[in-house]
Amino acid sequence: DAGITQSPRYKITETGRQVTLMCHQTWSHSYMFWYRQDLGHGLRLIYYSAAADITDKGEVPDGYVVSRSKTENFPLTLESATRSQTSVYFCASSEWSTGNQPQHFGDGTRLSIL
Amino acid sequence: ILNVEQSPQSLHVQEGDSTNFTCSFPSSNFYALHWYRWETAKSPEALFVMTLNGDEKKKGRISATLNTKEGYSYLYIKGSQPEDSATYLCAFYDYGGSQGNLIFGKGTKLSVKP
Repeated sequence: DAGITQSPRYKITETGRQVTLMCHQTWSHSYMFWYRQDLGHGLRLIYYSAAADITDKGEVPDGYVVSRSKTENFPLTLESATRSQTSVYFCASSEWSTGNQPQHFGDGTRLSIL
Repeated sequence: ILNVEQSPQSLHVQEGDSTNFTCSFPSSNFYALHWYRWETAKSPEALFVMTLNGDEKKKGRISATLNTKEGYSYLYIKGSQPEDSATYLCAFYDYGGSQGNLIFGKGTKLSVKP
């Protein structure tokens, strides 16, 4: 089925470990986004990508790395996980510039860092 | 950092009640305003993308209006049903702004009692 899928759905890891969250979309949307959702905050943008090999920082990029070698994939890596990165992470895509195009969200990855 | 405010934070209504909530956003550099519906344990789902002052959009029993000059949008639900229970998010797109993408409010959580 077409759509946007995130994996894993749940992840528990320890501080200092590297962890990668995967995001895959089948629509060939140009734009992809990573958000984190924490209690007391709205969805906050971590990184986004306008096309393959083009990425840019969002509001809260520190401690995260992204890449986009193929249009359909947009992995998010925590290079050395910290407890403050415990959160629910959402990947999203939009057909082109998000101004007048809705974003389509994955089901989220719940990440716990011990 | 641009701020998007939603009110109220939460709302409890009886089945059949009509309800509305507010999204306030900066009135300068307006480009688009998005509304999303977010059910518990699911991912946010786009309701409306609004770009023009005075815009009105409707989807079933849900409608939205937009005032870009004063910086607010209203979401209305007519005859609320238990299945309308969800968090409703609005998000502002700042044309040419440094953050470059959607700024989300914290949402209004609607609970509809049968």
